[in-house]
Amino acid sequence: DTEVTQTPKHLVMGMTNKKSLKCEQHMGHRAMYWYKQKAKKPPELMFVYSYEKLSINESVPSRFSPECPNSSLLNLHLHALQPEDSALYLCASSNGLAGGQGTGELFFGEGSRLTVL
Amino acid sequence: KQEVTQIPAALSVPEGENLVLNCSFTDSAIYNLQWFRQDPGKGLTSLLLIQSSQREQTSGRLNASLDKSSGRSTLYIAASQPGDSATYLCAVQASYDKVIFGPGTSLSVIP
Repeated sequence: DTEVTQTPKHLVMGMTNKKSLKCEQHMGHRAMYWYKQKAKKPPELMFVYSYEKLSINESVPSRFSPECPNSSLLNLHLHALQPEDSALYLCASSNGLAGGQGTGELFFGEGSRLTVL
Repeated sequence: KQEVTQIPAALSVPEGENLVLNCSFTDSAIYNLQWFRQDPGKGLTSLLLIQSSQREQTSGRLNASLDKSSGRSTLYIAASQPGDSATYLCAVQASYDKVIFGPGTSLSVIP
């Protein structure tokens, strides 16, 4: 099973709302990622969790708050977003490069399409 | 700072043609390079992963090569089909957990 599952597929929220995006993988991967993708642009890295700890934060505004409750789950909490935050949010996981055993291959979910009104 | 570019930005070919997509990166110190396919509004599908110690990988009609010293990778698609129409992205793993994407090549295969 090489599946990464993201929910919801679509989300519409106002600028004062609080919502969350969820991501789940059951491949035993140690690294999980959040990417943001605008139309006709490549994915931009936001956050990386390694062994359930935040290892990379690409200077993302605090209105985006990641959380990794366990090794299979990754959340992205959204609060006070702006219309320019509307995008496709992609979750990915990887077996990483730990101890030379992993290949580092990334597996992506289908994404959550976020619209901020 | 690692930068990844892809040429061409867009490509339109008749069905059955063989084609080559190009990816370049500025820093040769990479762990691996991965090619993805993305259909409109969808997630990314992994096509091929090449480790830094490898020169090429093959899967079906796809062949990817890697020349680390020159900072280049190519994705060769044989006998293209309309179903191959999509955006193709290359990505390099530049540090332990950081994966950086190129801007992509939009491919259209005309029946």
